[in-house]
Amino acid sequence: QQQVKQSPQSLIVQKGGISIINCAYENTAFDYFPWYQQFPGKGPALLIAIRPDVSEKKEGRFTISFNKSAKQFSLHIMDSQPGDSATYFCAASGPFLPMNTGNQFYFGTGTSLTVIP
Amino acid sequence: GAVVSQHPSRVICKSGTSVKIECRSLDFQATTMFWYRQFPKQSLMLMATSNEGSKATYEQGVEKDKFLINHASLTLSTLTVTSAHPEDSSFYICSAGRQGRSPLHFGNGTRLTVT
Repeated sequence: QQQVKQSPQSLIVQKGGISIINCAYENTAFDYFPWYQQFPGKGPALLIAIRPDVSEKKEGRFTISFNKSAKQFSLHIMDSQPGDSATYFCAASGPFLPMNTGNQFYFGTGTSLTVIP
Repeated sequence: GAVVSQHPSRVICKSGTSVKIECRSLDFQATTMFWYRQFPKQSLMLMATSNEGSKATYEQGVEKDKFLINHASLTLSTLTVTSAHPEDSSFYICSAGRQGRSPLHFGNGTRLTVT
């Protein structure tokens, strides 16, 4: 069973436009929702993350919107740039306990973003 | 910030040989590390959870005798692909998290090609 569902599979956006990627999760025990950015031949790198006690988190051009009741969260990339072209993965994990590092992260299927100059 | 180092980044080996991949947490201790496999244009597939000082936990369908995991210290986990075959060719990625805190940090992956 796919714990985290991600859409769209691919996305093409004009430079300067807004890229939006959506994810939905099933397990209400999840309490940590990161987004990872992956370039070809590299490992995923943490982009931004949110916990369910807030509905939005913004870091530069990247914003996560979180809807706890709908069990959905999304990544918005404002003023998209060609350098943002990469594959983006949403993930969910938790609950986190202070001494626990063993939480499994569940990943979405990824979105290939292409930003056209 | 936390950094996870993975080595080698690329390896080509002949069918039937074994390959060892190292994953190190550089500035924190990781009691748990994770090993993933990624096929082209696909998501990360968790292979196993590596636990320091104890046996790894393998996901369903992953052969524990083929993918040997050793987590001998709080900063090092190794994945050995034994008797590699061409179908084992893939991108292998490790990750680790700081105790009690998120997020999960990833290594840069190892591209394994078995000829």
